[in-house]
Amino acid sequence: GENVEQHPSTLSVQEGDSAVIKCTYSDSASNYFPWYKQELGKGPQLIIDIRSNVGEKKDQRIAVTLNKTAKHFSLHITETQPEDSAVYFCAACGGFKTIFGAGTRLFVKA
Amino acid sequence: KAGVTQTPRYLIKTRGQQVTLSCSPISGHRSVSWYQQTPGQGLQFLFEYFSETQRNKGNFPGRFSGRQFSNSRSEMNVSTLELGDSALYLCASRTDRPTDTQYFGPGTRLTVL
Repeated sequence: GENVEQHPSTLSVQEGDSAVIKCTYSDSASNYFPWYKQELGKGPQLIIDIRSNVGEKKDQRIAVTLNKTAKHFSLHITETQPEDSAVYFCAACGGFKTIFGAGTRLFVKA
Repeated sequence: KAGVTQTPRYLIKTRGQQVTLSCSPISGHRSVSWYQQTPGQGLQFLFEYFSETQRNKGNFPGRFSGRQFSNSRSEMNVSTLELGDSALYLCASRTDRPTDTQYFGPGTRLTVL
């Protein structure tokens, strides 16, 4: 069946460095790709999303890129801060399906 | 606009009991989805309701059921609770289509003893 692979499962970076999380999807019908951040004890919060007619989108320190041919999309966080520490989920949406990646636990060391 | 709300936030039950969780979507959102989140298992899709009808269903046993009311509020029920049902249950709402942005509530933490 359709799935979304997310890597890495854990990522540790020094404050100020960049962090990159990658996802690969299998369903060709997917055309909307949101990213969520989940802090301890809270529900996932949407941080950025991209649609299939766009290759890149940026919002301050966060950017997402999409390669529809390769079925890859990635989250880039620049100038990381300790408050960026959380679990990040990617998702691929299309038709009536939303499929989530397994999550990446990001640690930003001060 | 108020966000997605879920009640209760925490719940402790014993094996064999049943439980009902409630979700109020963002005003104007007609689609409500439920997810189970356990450590190491990520977000597992339970079901989606749209206009009081189940539109999509994940691979969970029949002990897990749900419904949606005419005001789009949704409830999910778990009967004959098992220890493995301990999890964070998340509700998410969106206006209509899967390509509409989905917003999550804070979740209900269920512990089964």
